[in-house]
Amino acid sequence: NAGVTQTPKFQVLKTGQSMTLQCAQDMNHEYMSWYRQDPGMGLRLIHYSVGAGITDQGEVPNGYNVSRSTTEDFPLRLLSAAPSQTSVYFCASSYFRTSHPLQKTQYFGPGTRLLVL
Amino acid sequence: DAKTTQPPSMDCAEGRAANLPCNHSTISGNEYVYWYRQIHSQGPQYIIHGLKNNETNEMASLIITEDRKSSTLILPHATLRDTAVYYCIVRVAKNYGQNFVFGPGTRLSVLP
Repeated sequence: NAGVTQTPKFQVLKTGQSMTLQCAQDMNHEYMSWYRQDPGMGLRLIHYSVGAGITDQGEVPNGYNVSRSTTEDFPLRLLSAAPSQTSVYFCASSYFRTSHPLQKTQYFGPGTRLLVL
Repeated sequence: DAKTTQPPSMDCAEGRAANLPCNHSTISGNEYVYWYRQIHSQGPQYIIHGLKNNETNEMASLIITEDRKSSTLILPHATLRDTAVYYCIVRVAKNYGQNFVFGPGTRLSVLP
């Protein structure tokens, strides 16, 4: 298994540009999520999905859109990039339809470093 | 999910045990304690979790006080590769929502 993969690893955007951060997992996890991490801070949840066709907002959703058309993929879209969106973005996945606490642990991707000028 | 409090940073000598504390005084009966770590801006990595009993795996041990208001993650023989930010998270393992809240964590520096 490749686990959780993210592309690109690095990206530089100009203010106002749009782009999509890709996330894929091959573990058949129902739950997928996006976090951002700013320097010296913990992770903050942007959006999450509990299955194909189902998405919901996290703590900091403004400026980001998501969709979940397949179990494997959960892209994050920046419609009009702003310097405040400069951050490291992590995608994570886990099982969902289980009450077992270990199966609910999240697996994280390697991250995408985004710089908005 | 209950809030957690961790010291911002700690040092530990290589080869010694690293004991990382976490306070979660408002924890409820069905909330689990999870520990993750993040090495040098990589994605966070699961370490261990527990409910009320002490737990041990190949990476670490988790000691939870009897009143469950605090816990300690123990790395028995810390190495330089254990230098990372360690996050203590408390949440209910219920069948919806996976919204882990990652606070600032504890930055552990293992010194040679």
